[in-house]
Amino acid sequence: GDSVTQMEGPVTLSEEAFLTINCTYTATGYPSLFWYVQYPGEGLQLLLKATKADDKGSNKGFEATYRKETTSFHLEKGSVQVSDSAVYFCAPNSGGSNYKLTFGKGTLLTVNP
Amino acid sequence: EPEVTQTPSHQVTQMGQEVILRCVPISNHLYFYWYRQILGQKVEFLVSFYNNEISEKSEIFDDQFSVERPDGSNFTLKIRSTKLEDSAMYFCASSEIGRVGEQFFGPGTRLTVL
Repeated sequence: GDSVTQMEGPVTLSEEAFLTINCTYTATGYPSLFWYVQYPGEGLQLLLKATKADDKGSNKGFEATYRKETTSFHLEKGSVQVSDSAVYFCAPNSGGSNYKLTFGKGTLLTVNP
Repeated sequence: EPEVTQTPSHQVTQMGQEVILRCVPISNHLYFYWYRQILGQKVEFLVSFYNNEISEKSEIFDDQFSVERPDGSNFTLKIRSTKLEDSAMYFCASSEIGRVGEQFFGPGTRLTVL
């Protein structure tokens, strides 16, 4: 089945710092890859996605590139804001008869002003 | 913007009691899911549901759990006899056909079993 290894947190940054959260995955075939974000007290929200190799997903200044050769999907943002403080989850989905998202442990990001 | 809603937001129950958690998925979505998150741990898949039947379930989803779509809008998770270890945040999610990975999550129900 699908699995994911995600960078352990917590990560604490100052506002405007550069962010990288590493994610590597194992999955059947050619999965779609997703980053979800969970803000304090809320459910998960889809942040960005990539559906094939070399695709770059982007949203709200965050980016991640689907690297098939290294089975990675690292999340980056050039300049974080306090409002980006949240837990970030990487998740592959192999599709087909596999309906579930397999989440990593999540990475808690705290951005200080 | 359409959203997934869940009720109640917090449920407290005694061990051994039955609970029903309710969800209203986004109206044009056809795939429905339940996940749970024990405090401080990762989000775990429980079950997916499509075309009025379970399409996939995890090892956690044993005989104590059941799901139902009793009408055209609600999707429920029933825990027949709750245990202390069922205490968790339960998230409902839904997705469009052909976009299984793009799941829209509700705000969750916090279940506390005493």
